[in-house]
Amino acid sequence: GENVEQHPSTLSVQEGDSAVIKCTYSDSASNYFPWYKQELGKRPQLIIDIRSNVGEKKDQRIAVTLNKTAKHFSLHITETQPEDSAVYFCAAMAGRRALTFGSGTRLQVQP
Amino acid sequence: DTGVSQDPRHKITKRGQNVTFRCDPISEHNRLYWYRQTLGQGPEFLTYFQNEAQLEKSRLLSDRFSAERPKGSFSTLEIQRTEQGDSAMYLCVSSLVALAGPGGTQYFGPGTRLLVL
Repeated sequence: GENVEQHPSTLSVQEGDSAVIKCTYSDSASNYFPWYKQELGKRPQLIIDIRSNVGEKKDQRIAVTLNKTAKHFSLHITETQPEDSAVYFCAAMAGRRALTFGSGTRLQVQP
Repeated sequence: DTGVSQDPRHKITKRGQNVTFRCDPISEHNRLYWYRQTLGQGPEFLTYFQNEAQLEKSRLLSDRFSAERPKGSFSTLEIQRTEQGDSAMYLCVSSLVALAGPGGTQYFGPGTRLLVL
């Protein structure tokens, strides 16, 4: 089955700096790659997603890049703010099945 | 609020007891998933339904777990003879999957937090 690895497990940045979180996946059939933000005690919240027919997608300060050949995808957050502090999960889906999640990255934005 | 509701939001039970959780997905959505999330980990897939049909079950889903979606609307997840290792957040996800298209966006419910003493 699919295996998703996520790095780093923790990330601390200064407010205004950029943050990058990287994920790799194993199933070459995966074609949908969402990113979720989860605050303590709350549900995962979709922040951006990308499908395998595109290489990059942006939404304001957030961008995701996908390299299908290398089977990795990354989340980029620019101009980080304290409210960006949370746990971020990447995930991958092959076809129309279920999501396989990474182990999460705890992002701390220092004011 | 994603439009997916779960009940109860919290459940404390003693080891050996049975518990049942309910999920009400977004009304027009045909796909419903159950995931489990333990502290510090990403959600893990348990099972999913396409309408009322249960299409896949994870190896994580032991015989003590059963899920139903009798009319293709709400779903229940029952855990029999609970164990302390069952303590986790149980998340329901709703999605609309077109017949010939890729998987749809997944909308998470608020989760049911289970604590087994």
